[in-house]
Amino acid sequence: SSELTQDPAVSVALGQTVTIACQGDNFRHHSATWYQQKSGQAPLLVFYGKTNRPAGIPARFSGSTSRDIASLTITGVQAEDEAVYYCQSRDSSGDHVLFGGGTKLSV
Amino acid sequence: QLQLQEAGPGLVKPSETLSVKCTVSGGSIDSIDSNWVWIRQPPGKGLEWIGTIYYNGESYKSPSLRSRISISVDKSRSQVSLRLTSVTAADSAMYYCARDYIWGSFRWQDAFDVWGPGTGVTVTS
Repeated sequence: SSELTQDPAVSVALGQTVTIACQGDNFRHHSATWYQQKSGQAPLLVFYGKTNRPAGIPARFSGSTSRDIASLTITGVQAEDEAVYYCQSRDSSGDHVLFGGGTKLSV
Repeated sequence: QLQLQEAGPGLVKPSETLSVKCTVSGGSIDSIDSNWVWIRQPPGKGLEWIGTIYYNGESYKSPSLRSRISISVDKSRSQVSLRLTSVTAADSAMYYCARDYIWGSFRWQDAFDVWGPGTGVTVTS
Protein backbone atom coordinates (compact mmCIF):
# COMPACT_ATOMS: atom_id res chain seq x y z
CA SER A 1 0.00 0.00 0.00
CA SER A 2 1.14 3.57 -0.58
CA GLU A 3 -1.19 5.49 1.69
CA LEU A 4 -1.45 6.62 5.27
CA THR A 5 -4.95 7.64 6.34
CA GLN A 6 -5.74 10.09 9.13
CA ASP A 7 -8.99 11.63 10.34
CA PRO A 8 -9.05 15.27 9.17
CA ALA A 9 -9.98 16.72 12.54
CA VAL A 10 -10.27 15.83 16.20
CA SER A 11 -11.33 17.95 19.16
CA VAL A 12 -10.55 17.51 22.84
CA ALA A 13 -11.19 19.41 26.04
CA LEU A 14 -8.31 20.97 27.92
CA GLY A 15 -6.67 18.46 30.26
CA GLN A 16 -8.24 15.42 28.66
CA THR A 17 -6.55 12.65 26.69
CA VAL A 18 -6.70 12.39 22.92
CA THR A 19 -5.51 9.72 20.51
CA ILE A 20 -4.75 10.56 16.90
CA ALA A 21 -4.79 7.55 14.60
CA CYS A 22 -3.00 6.73 11.36
CA GLN A 23 -3.97 3.74 9.26
CA GLY A 24 -1.46 2.05 6.97
CA ASP A 25 -0.56 -1.40 5.66
CA ASN A 26 3.14 -1.36 6.45
CA PHE A 27 3.34 -0.76 10.18
CA ARG A 28 4.38 -4.34 10.79
CA HIS A 29 7.59 -3.55 8.95
CA HIS A 30 8.02 0.22 9.29
CA SER A 31 7.32 2.26 12.36
CA ALA A 32 5.35 5.50 12.41
CA THR A 33 6.84 8.91 13.05
CA TRP A 34 4.78 11.88 14.22
CA TYR A 35 5.15 15.59 13.52
CA GLN A 36 3.34 18.58 14.97
CA GLN A 37 2.79 21.63 12.80
CA LYS A 38 1.46 24.85 14.22
CA SER A 39 0.08 27.56 11.99
CA GLY A 40 2.78 29.30 9.98
CA GLN A 41 5.58 27.10 11.32
CA ALA A 42 7.68 24.23 10.04
CA PRO A 43 6.78 20.77 11.30
CA LEU A 44 8.30 19.58 14.58
CA LEU A 45 9.23 15.98 15.33
CA VAL A 46 7.35 14.79 18.42
CA PHE A 47 7.62 10.98 18.42
CA TYR A 48 9.47 8.26 16.54
CA GLY A 49 10.16 4.56 16.71
CA LYS A 50 8.46 2.60 19.46
CA THR A 51 9.35 4.75 22.43
CA ASN A 52 11.28 7.83 21.37
CA ARG A 53 10.54 11.45 22.14
CA PRO A 54 13.07 14.08 21.03
CA ALA A 55 14.62 16.26 23.68
CA GLY A 56 12.25 19.00 24.72
CA ILE A 57 9.06 17.17 23.78
CA PRO A 58 6.84 16.76 26.86
CA ALA A 59 6.23 13.30 28.27
CA ARG A 60 2.51 13.69 27.63
CA PHE A 61 3.22 12.72 24.00
CA SER A 62 3.43 8.97 23.39
CA GLY A 63 3.07 6.63 20.47
CA SER A 64 1.99 3.08 19.82
CA THR A 65 1.25 0.71 16.96
CA SER A 66 -1.22 -2.12 16.72
CA ARG A 67 -1.58 -4.10 13.52
CA ASP A 68 -2.31 -1.52 10.84
CA ILE A 69 -2.99 1.46 13.11
CA ALA A 70 -0.35 3.80 14.53
CA SER A 71 -1.45 6.16 17.25
CA LEU A 72 -0.18 9.32 18.89
CA THR A 73 -1.63 9.90 22.34
CA ILE A 74 -1.51 13.19 24.20
CA THR A 75 -2.30 12.75 27.88
CA GLY A 76 -3.48 15.90 29.62
CA VAL A 77 -3.81 18.08 26.54
CA GLN A 78 -2.62 21.66 26.85
CA ALA A 79 -3.77 24.65 24.84
CA GLU A 80 -0.39 24.81 23.09
CA ASP A 81 -0.97 21.33 21.66
CA GLU A 82 -3.49 22.74 19.20
CA ALA A 83 -1.90 22.00 15.83
CA VAL A 84 -2.00 19.70 12.82
CA TYR A 85 -0.40 16.31 13.44
CA TYR A 86 1.10 14.27 10.62
CA CYS A 87 2.08 10.63 10.69
CA GLN A 88 4.90 9.45 8.47
CA SER A 89 6.21 6.05 7.51
CA ARG A 90 7.50 4.14 4.51
CA ASP A 91 6.05 2.19 1.61
CA SER A 92 6.48 -1.57 1.43
CA SER A 93 9.87 -1.25 -0.26
CA GLY A 94 11.19 1.06 2.44
CA ASP A 95 12.59 3.32 -0.26
CA HIS A 96 9.86 5.94 -0.30
CA VAL A 97 8.52 8.17 2.44
CA LEU A 98 4.79 8.46 3.05
CA PHE A 99 2.90 11.15 4.94
CA GLY A 100 -0.64 10.96 6.23
CA GLY A 101 -2.99 13.77 5.30
CA GLY A 102 -2.79 15.31 8.76
CA THR A 103 -5.20 15.62 11.68
CA LYS A 104 -6.14 19.05 12.95
CA LEU A 105 -6.37 18.95 16.72
CA SER A 106 -8.62 21.54 18.32
CA VAL A 107 -8.41 22.13 22.06
CA GLN B 1 23.14 23.40 17.21
CA LEU B 2 22.28 22.32 13.70
CA GLN B 3 20.31 24.88 11.69
CA LEU B 4 18.92 24.76 8.19
CA GLN B 5 17.92 27.70 6.00
CA GLU B 6 16.21 27.37 2.65
CA ALA B 7 16.48 29.94 -0.11
CA GLY B 8 14.46 30.02 -3.29
CA PRO B 9 13.38 32.40 -6.06
CA GLY B 10 9.92 33.16 -4.68
CA LEU B 11 8.35 33.28 -8.14
CA VAL B 12 8.92 30.92 -11.05
CA LYS B 13 7.31 30.91 -14.49
CA PRO B 14 5.52 27.82 -15.78
CA SER B 15 7.75 25.37 -17.66
CA GLU B 16 10.89 26.82 -16.06
CA THR B 17 13.23 25.13 -13.61
CA LEU B 18 12.93 25.73 -9.87
CA SER B 19 16.13 25.76 -7.86
CA VAL B 20 16.06 25.78 -4.06
CA LYS B 21 19.05 25.64 -1.77
CA CYS B 22 19.37 24.67 1.87
CA THR B 23 22.33 25.99 3.82
CA VAL B 24 23.48 23.88 6.74
CA SER B 25 25.10 25.55 9.73
CA GLY B 26 26.07 24.54 13.24
CA GLY B 27 27.01 21.07 12.13
CA SER B 28 28.79 19.12 9.44
CA ILE B 29 27.25 18.47 6.06
CA ASP B 30 29.82 15.76 5.53
CA SER B 31 29.39 13.23 8.29
CA ILE B 32 27.74 9.85 8.61
CA ASP B 33 24.74 11.62 10.14
CA SER B 34 24.44 13.90 7.12
CA ASN B 35 21.33 12.71 5.33
CA TRP B 36 19.00 15.33 3.90
CA VAL B 37 15.41 15.37 2.80
CA TRP B 38 13.23 17.75 0.79
CA ILE B 39 9.54 18.08 1.61
CA ARG B 40 6.96 20.46 0.25
CA GLN B 41 3.57 21.71 1.34
CA PRO B 42 1.11 23.37 -1.04
CA PRO B 43 -0.90 26.20 0.53
CA GLY B 44 -3.51 24.79 2.89
CA LYS B 45 -2.52 21.20 2.20
CA GLY B 46 -0.45 18.43 3.72
CA LEU B 47 3.18 17.43 3.55
CA GLU B 48 4.63 15.77 0.45
CA TRP B 49 7.98 14.00 0.39
CA ILE B 50 10.15 15.02 -2.57
CA GLY B 51 13.33 13.06 -2.04
CA THR B 52 16.24 12.13 0.20
CA ILE B 53 19.99 12.17 -0.32
CA TYR B 54 22.21 10.09 1.94
CA TYR B 55 25.73 10.55 3.24
CA ASN B 56 27.05 8.04 0.71
CA GLY B 57 25.53 9.97 -2.21
CA GLU B 58 22.65 7.57 -2.72
CA SER B 59 19.32 9.29 -3.32
CA TYR B 60 15.69 8.29 -3.42
CA LYS B 61 12.94 10.33 -5.04
CA SER B 62 9.18 10.47 -4.99
CA PRO B 63 7.85 8.29 -7.82
CA SER B 64 5.51 11.08 -8.88
CA LEU B 65 8.34 13.61 -9.21
CA ARG B 66 11.32 11.40 -10.05
CA SER B 67 11.62 12.42 -13.69
CA ARG B 68 11.73 16.11 -12.83
CA ILE B 69 13.88 16.38 -9.72
CA SER B 70 17.53 16.25 -8.87
CA ILE B 71 19.05 16.53 -5.40
CA SER B 72 22.69 17.23 -4.70
CA VAL B 73 25.07 18.23 -1.94
CA ASP B 74 27.77 20.88 -2.25
CA LYS B 75 30.12 20.20 0.64
CA SER B 76 32.26 23.26 -0.03
CA ARG B 77 29.25 25.52 0.45
CA SER B 78 27.48 23.37 3.08
CA GLN B 79 24.41 23.38 0.86
CA VAL B 80 21.85 20.85 -0.24
CA SER B 81 20.16 21.69 -3.53
CA LEU B 82 16.90 20.77 -5.16
CA ARG B 83 16.11 21.30 -8.82
CA LEU B 84 12.63 20.76 -10.19
CA THR B 85 12.16 21.07 -13.93
CA SER B 86 9.10 21.92 -16.02
CA VAL B 87 7.17 23.47 -13.14
CA THR B 88 3.43 24.08 -13.19
CA ALA B 89 1.05 25.78 -10.80
CA ALA B 90 0.78 22.47 -8.95
CA ASP B 91 4.40 22.92 -7.83
CA SER B 92 3.54 26.08 -5.89
CA ALA B 93 4.32 25.26 -2.28
CA MET B 94 6.42 25.88 0.79
CA TYR B 95 9.61 23.91 0.30
CA TYR B 96 11.35 22.54 3.38
CA CYS B 97 14.68 20.84 3.86
CA ALA B 98 15.26 18.69 6.92
CA ARG B 99 17.87 16.38 8.36
CA ASP B 100 17.05 12.72 7.97
CA TYR B 101 18.17 11.21 11.29
CA ILE B 102 18.63 7.45 11.14
CA TRP B 103 17.93 6.14 14.64
CA GLY B 104 18.00 2.41 13.85
CA SER B 105 20.08 -0.10 11.96
CA PHE B 106 18.38 0.53 8.64
CA ARG B 107 17.99 3.76 6.66
CA TRP B 108 14.20 3.47 6.81
CA GLN B 109 14.32 3.64 10.59
CA ASP B 110 14.52 7.39 10.47
CA ALA B 111 12.93 10.67 11.48
CA PHE B 112 13.23 14.24 10.26
CA ASP B 113 14.53 15.89 13.38
CA VAL B 114 15.75 19.32 12.26
CA TRP B 115 13.79 21.45 9.79
CA GLY B 116 14.43 24.72 8.09
CA PRO B 117 11.74 27.41 8.22
CA GLY B 118 10.90 26.77 4.56
CA THR B 119 10.86 28.93 1.48
CA GLY B 120 7.69 29.74 -0.42
CA VAL B 121 7.57 29.24 -4.18
CA THR B 122 4.77 30.37 -6.46
CA VAL B 123 4.58 29.29 -10.07
CA THR B 124 2.96 32.04 -12.07
CA SER B 125 3.29 33.65 -15.45
